[in-house]
Amino acid sequence: QVQLVESGGGVVQPGKSLRLSCAASGFFFSNYAMNWVRQAPGKGLEWVAIVSSDGSTQYYADSVRGRFTISRDNSKNTLSLQMNSLRPEDTALYYCAKRVAPGGTSGIVDYWGQGTLVTVSS
Amino acid sequence: EIVLTQSPGTLSLSPGERATLSCKTSQGVPSNYLAWYQHKAGQAPRLLVSDASTRATGIPARFSGSGSGTDFTLTIDRLEPEDFAVYYCQQYGYSPYRFGQGTKLEIK
Repeated sequence: QVQLVESGGGVVQPGKSLRLSCAASGFFFSNYAMNWVRQAPGKGLEWVAIVSSDGSTQYYADSVRGRFTISRDNSKNTLSLQMNSLRPEDTALYYCAKRVAPGGTSGIVDYWGQGTLVTVSS
Repeated sequence: EIVLTQSPGTLSLSPGERATLSCKTSQGVPSNYLAWYQHKAGQAPRLLVSDASTRATGIPARFSGSGSGTDFTLTIDRLEPEDFAVYYCQQYGYSPYRFGQGTKLEIK
């Protein structure tokens, strides 16, 4: 069955960097675009970024563009999110999420991990 | 950029009743690329509906999506106790693939 396990969250000071990872299994990882979605405490879901199945195309939310970089390693079935210049408003539970169908880069997802918590605070 | 507005913010109903949730978009969603998700506290969100009206695998028939253009609706017939949760719509026609702010469905 599909499994997505996020890691790398923690407490970080404003302006610092953090790298999240997501280990995928149970499906042909290299066939599917992958997303990051976050949820700030007490808030709703916010789509963050998507990377195409081959890693060549990325799209970002306006709130993170220029600071965050999504990437993947298909040889290791791993998705990453490099987060730079972190702000307090980036504090959230970050979910790794699989696109519903192979190919394409639209952000509809069918499987989610349990999330990793990022707290940006001095 | 497409903005999604969900209403109501909170819906209070009893088991057995029908729930009607609205999602309006600031511009037309191409190909009706509109999804609905259910999210319960402490769990990962669950995809309910794609393409505005196609139920995802394993989703009960009491959940139905409808609408086109800028107005979309999720209807839940005969509410079950496990249906009380937060519901989000999402457009996936144009990046950024934003979510609505959510509708909380609570037990009356």
